[in-house]
Amino acid sequence: SSELTQDPGVSVALGQTVRITCQGDSLRSYYASWYQQKPGQAPVLVIYGKNMRPSGIPDRFSGSSSGNTASLTITGAQAEDEADYFCNSRDRGGNHRVFGAGTRVTVL
Amino acid sequence: EVQLVESGGGLVKPGGSLRLSCAASGFSFTSYVMNWVRQPPGKGLEWVSSIGGGSTYIYYADSVQGRFTISRDNAKHLLSLQMNNLRAEDTAVYYCARDLYSSSWDAFDIWGPGTPVTVS
Repeated sequence: SSELTQDPGVSVALGQTVRITCQGDSLRSYYASWYQQKPGQAPVLVIYGKNMRPSGIPDRFSGSSSGNTASLTITGAQAEDEADYFCNSRDRGGNHRVFGAGTRVTVL
Repeated sequence: EVQLVESGGGLVKPGGSLRLSCAASGFSFTSYVMNWVRQPPGKGLEWVSSIGGGSTYIYYADSVQGRFTISRDNAKHLLSLQMNNLRAEDTAVYYCARDLYSSSWDAFDIWGPGTPVTVS
């Protein structure tokens, strides 16, 4: 079982805001990173560290963290944001990496 | 252009072996930790293994420890994964991924397109 817990799915109306959460004890010590994956494609890094976006990622994507919970927020969701989103961090031991099971975001 | 391209996937019988490769280009390969991540059909992502820039540290997921071996050839900018004693549950798309890291975070910032492995 994953040491990082994500809700299986969430829906958001076009242009509205959606927050995806990731819970795990290791998040008290390490920031999560977030990945967007569309069908048939490799994952893409969207948020890492405290709240950093790689070049080319729209600023409607933002990250935050509090206690054992990391969050990814999409402000003004677009149709192209419909995808699976995975969080990742280190495990309790610190040497292994672990992914959450993923959250499917549906844009209505 | 920064790029990773995997190869070597295919169909193998249970108990068989396969060697995956990942060719890196466009960046200083030696400076980065490299990883293998896999995704079974219709399922989520699973970290498989990491290797330091000078191969000074290597880690494996419990599910592959003792069966898989990660290695790198810095002169050829090549990452490899030797997979032995393969099981049906190893069936997945295998991605190589570059690591960014600091003291309080890390992230897989560059991914290859993946190579499929089927154990049947």
